[in-house]
Amino acid sequence: AQSVTQLDSQVPVFEEAPVELRCNYSSSVSVYLFWYVQYPNQGLQLLLKYLSGSTLVKGINGFEAEFNKSQTSFHLRKPSVHISDTAEYFCAVSEWGGADGLTFGKGTHLIIQP
Amino acid sequence: EAQVTQNPRYLITVTGKKLTVTCSQNMNHEYMSWYRQDPGLGLRQIYYSMNVEVTDKGDVPEGYKVSRKEKRNFPLILESPSPNQTSLYFCASSLLDSSLYEQYFGPGTRLTVT
Repeated sequence: AQSVTQLDSQVPVFEEAPVELRCNYSSSVSVYLFWYVQYPNQGLQLLLKYLSGSTLVKGINGFEAEFNKSQTSFHLRKPSVHISDTAEYFCAVSEWGGADGLTFGKGTHLIIQP
Repeated sequence: EAQVTQNPRYLITVTGKKLTVTCSQNMNHEYMSWYRQDPGLGLRQIYYSMNVEVTDKGDVPEGYKVSRKEKRNFPLILESPSPNQTSLYFCASSLLDSSLYEQYFGPGTRLTVT
């Protein structure tokens, strides 16, 4: 079975600064990887996904993530954040050929400071 | 518009009073799932369904029931709610496509059990 660890429960960053949200996963087989975003009082929305091919994946709102198989990581980055990026971010994984669905990390709260 | 709908969005009830939270999707998805979200714990899967009449337990099924009589609907039933079921609940759906569980989420139901 797969598992996901988001190393930071909260990340404060100043507006227009770069940010990285860290995600590591554990699985014995190949995986699909996802980042979801949850804005205040809303449901989850897909930010980006890694299925195969290029390890650098671009998503909505200027976010990107890099899949690193050797380090089993899928860190999320943005070069310059805005106040509107304040949200909870969830990393998730599903296994190729698996039947367990998505496994989520516990989330990282991104706090943008003016 | 492709969407997952949940009703009600907010519910306050008392211990022991049976309730049902409805979930419906219009994307002809085979896979549907219920999660609960609690602070510091992320999303935990309650039950999931791979298709009509096929349901299975997730990580935290105790105290919940589900049914899948139609492809579009996946209601969550709390036969005898207790205060520890106070939480934010999300329904999600996805295609079953090579175990790719790119899920679409409903807006959430905030349940308070007193």
